[in-house]
Amino acid sequence: GQNIDQPTEMTATEGAIVQINCTYQTSGFNGLFWYQQHAGEAPTFLSYNVLDGLEEKGRFSSFLSRSKGYSYLLLKELQMKDSASYLCAVKGAGKSTFGDGTTLTVKP
Amino acid sequence: DTEVTQTPKHLVMGMTNKKSLKCEQHMGHRAMYWYKQKAKKPPELMFVYSYEKLSINESVPSRFSPECPNSSLLNLHLHALQPEDSALYLCASSSTSGAYNQPQHFGDGTRLSIL
Repeated sequence: GQNIDQPTEMTATEGAIVQINCTYQTSGFNGLFWYQQHAGEAPTFLSYNVLDGLEEKGRFSSFLSRSKGYSYLLLKELQMKDSASYLCAVKGAGKSTFGDGTTLTVKP
Repeated sequence: DTEVTQTPKHLVMGMTNKKSLKCEQHMGHRAMYWYKQKAKKPPELMFVYSYEKLSINESVPSRFSPECPNSSLLNLHLHALQPEDSALYLCASSSTSGAYNQPQHFGDGTRLSIL
C-alpha cells in the first residue's frame, strides 16, 4: 500500500517563497507528481520527479529524495492566483495515489 | 478549458434513476481513468482502462459500471446510487498507464447530486 502525508494548510505572502512538503511510504515507486487544483476546477500537472534531485520549471521547482521518501514543491515569487490546493501523487504500478493535498492561501 | 471533455457538467438524479457520465479525449492517449472527489479531499481512483480494457477496479460498488467503447471515449453508467455517492466525478487520461513520466490530464468533472 501507499501512505502519503502533506500539511493540510499553508499561508504565505504575495512575492514570497513557499515550500510544500510531501512524505510517502510505498511498496512500489515509479515517480512522484505534483498537481495544482483550484477550487471547482480540474487538477493540472505541475511537475514530475523520478530521480533524486531538483527539477525546475519557471517559478515552480520540485525536489525528490527516494531514500528519505520525501519531496517538496517550491513556489517562488508567489502570486495571488497561486492560491489553490497542491496535490502530491505517487505513481505505483499502473496508477497514482494522491495525498490529501495542501491548501495554500496567498495573502497581499 | 481542458483537453479532456466531460459531460454533463452537473447532474441531479434520484436513487432509482439510470444515467451515464461521458468523457472524451483526442490526444491519442491509451489510458483513461475515473476518479471520485469529495469536497476538500483528493481524487480517489475508481477505474483504469488501458488500451480499452479494464485494468484496475478499486473495489467500486456495482452500481457504477464503466465502459470504454473506443480509445477516445469513456463512460460511467450509474444505477441505483446512494446519497453518499454525491461528489465530483473526474475523468483523466494519460499516454499509457504504465509510462512513468506521463502525467494525467483531467477533465473539469461532473458534479453529481443524488436526491
